[in-house]
Amino acid sequence: NAGVTQTPKFQVLKTGQSMTLQCAQDMNHEYMSWYRQDPGMGLRLIHYSVGAGITDQGEVPNGYNVSRSTTEDFPLRLLSAAPSQTSVYFCASSFSGQGYSGNTIYFGEGSWLTVV
Amino acid sequence: AQKITQTQPGMFVQEKEAVTLDCTYDTSDQSYGLFWYKQPSSGEMIFLIYQGSYDEQNATEGRYSLNFQKARKSANLVISASQLGDSAMYFCAMREPNNDMRFGAGTRLTVKP
Repeated sequence: NAGVTQTPKFQVLKTGQSMTLQCAQDMNHEYMSWYRQDPGMGLRLIHYSVGAGITDQGEVPNGYNVSRSTTEDFPLRLLSAAPSQTSVYFCASSFSGQGYSGNTIYFGEGSWLTVV
Repeated sequence: AQKITQTQPGMFVQEKEAVTLDCTYDTSDQSYGLFWYKQPSSGEMIFLIYQGSYDEQNATEGRYSLNFQKARKSANLVISASQLGDSAMYFCAMREPNNDMRFGAGTRLTVKP
């Protein structure tokens, strides 16, 4: 059971380049999300999805796109990378939060992204 | 508005002693969940403990317990008998129904031998 798998683990981009961070989970979780973690700021939600075909914005969505064509996959696309997007990115999943707040979120191992 | 507040950027504790990491939260929902995660230097996020807002007893998981004071809106993590491997960042988080999970800024715990 792999849990939440995200790739790549490390990436260096030049300003203006685009890339996709991949995320897959094998726990049949409805809810998937992307967070970024910057020093001293904890984790901030970028985008989330409550099921296939449904996505929504989180706290810091600008500069990122997502789609959810299957239950298992939730890729995060950086459209035109900027130095301000240098961060550690975490993909996470859980059973649905709809109507219930007790489902814990399980995280991937993180992706370290540097934009130069 | 900040929903989760962790006022201790860093904490030190002697090995084998207990330590309390503070967390306060803000919500108007009656139903919510409170979580603590550990992030070691390797970077992964490890779920530690969960407390539901309607749970009357404080949650416990091994050496971890959650001191839940609903009226004060606090959910402090207590680690008993600290070990060197407990040195890490600790994040408090809250989840409301139909909502995502919000995290505090974290507390860096250092266990001294």
